[in-house]
Amino acid sequence: ETGVTQTPRHLVMGMTNKKSLKCEQHLGHNAMYWYKQSAKKPLELMFVYNFKEQTENNSVPSRFSPECPNSSHLFLHLHTLQPEDSALYLCASSQDHDGSYEQYFGPGTRLTVT
Amino acid sequence: AQTVTQSQPEMSVQEAETVTLSCTYDTSESDYYLFWYKQPPSRQMILVIRQEAYKQQNATENRFSVNFQKAAKSFSLKISDSQLGDAAMYFCAYSPGANSKLTFGKGITLSVRP
Repeated sequence: ETGVTQTPRHLVMGMTNKKSLKCEQHLGHNAMYWYKQSAKKPLELMFVYNFKEQTENNSVPSRFSPECPNSSHLFLHLHTLQPEDSALYLCASSQDHDGSYEQYFGPGTRLTVT
Repeated sequence: AQTVTQSQPEMSVQEAETVTLSCTYDTSESDYYLFWYKQPPSRQMILVIRQEAYKQQNATENRFSVNFQKAAKSFSLKISDSQLGDAAMYFCAYSPGANSKLTFGKGITLSVRP
């Protein structure tokens, strides 16, 4: 596999469920990101990790819990979500968390909360 | 706070014609980076073109070029010889650089008529 991969591609979950989104990058990058993409809204940055350390938490509710065990893997653990959390969740990576670097995006996970 | 504005939600272009997508931004920084990202229906977002604010020369990548007007804080994308594969959402993004995050606009949906 090359680039940035995300699993699952689609997820439907109830508000009481616990699920996790997975992201893996095969580019040797040091920074990884989670974004939320809702219809008619700009991409919202959720979390930034650089060398496995969280460098940004953009006031994300605690029902979203990120985990970065190493520079290649990033998880987003979900629990007790709300219907308004339904969106496309995009993972991205870049060489460094310096904003001058290009970010490489995964295909996203389409999440529906029922 | 930095903002990125894409005021046109949709545009359409005839195949082989030229189209310009508009973007304006607000910043008090003198040095920063601007990007155009493309998100086709498959949802994998990719970088189209990148511009460093300290460079006066407009960036070009094959059929894609920008018109960067620093004083006006404008960063438009021109697509020449439009192809059916250019149909996608296009996002303008801004970063002040070091240790900084990307700020995205709401995006514009471009359709290409055969």
